[in-house]
Amino acid sequence: QQQVKQSPQSLIVQKGGISIINCAYENTAFDYFPWYQQFPGKGPALLIAIRPDVSEKKEGRFTISFNKSAKQFSLHIMDSQPGDSATYFCAASKNFGNEKLTFGTGTRLTIIP
Amino acid sequence: SAVISQKPSRDICQRGTSLTIQCQVDSQVTMMFWYRQQPGQSLTLIATANQGSEATYESGFVIDKFPISRPNLTFSTLTVSNMSPEDSSIYLCTGRVNTEAFFGQGTRLTVV
Repeated sequence: QQQVKQSPQSLIVQKGGISIINCAYENTAFDYFPWYQQFPGKGPALLIAIRPDVSEKKEGRFTISFNKSAKQFSLHIMDSQPGDSATYFCAASKNFGNEKLTFGTGTRLTIIP
Repeated sequence: SAVISQKPSRDICQRGTSLTIQCQVDSQVTMMFWYRQQPGQSLTLIATANQGSEATYESGFVIDKFPISRPNLTFSTLTVSNMSPEDSSIYLCTGRVNTEAFFGQGTRLTVV
């Protein structure tokens, strides 16, 4: 069964801290792992994505860590800011994103001053 | 990044009526997908819109309720037919452009 499990469901982090969201998948055929950020009333915005040929990808304050053997990947937000408060979804797809995305259940992140 | 535009952005509709949502991509995409997101929930795939062939529907979604058109590589429509309050949701289209999968801003539908 194609599933992506995401945790935690909600997360509160102090400003300047590191936010960490984890996802685990089952289907070893997945080869594209994006993270989306969604603000209330908006569509999901692509934040960063990784493919299984690398173990880490960094873009600014956002880093994806990927563990192929454990079938896990995580999003790290460094120096978290109040503007990062949003819902984050991990997802997975086959065929480098050309097939449907299977989404995690989402993490509501709140950054407090 | 790609621009995926959806129309309308929101609508309030009477039960029993139908609404057609349009999705326009600023570049050609092979496959487009339609998702539904109920308040506070994750995204559920409705169907895959294939250019030149019928859409492929996920379990629980049927063509009579959610007919889809895909006349070319940059455009698709989703119709929500014979609406009921349970259809109140955000409907989103997505396509893969270059190497990444982008979403439209969504259509917030309220059925009264």
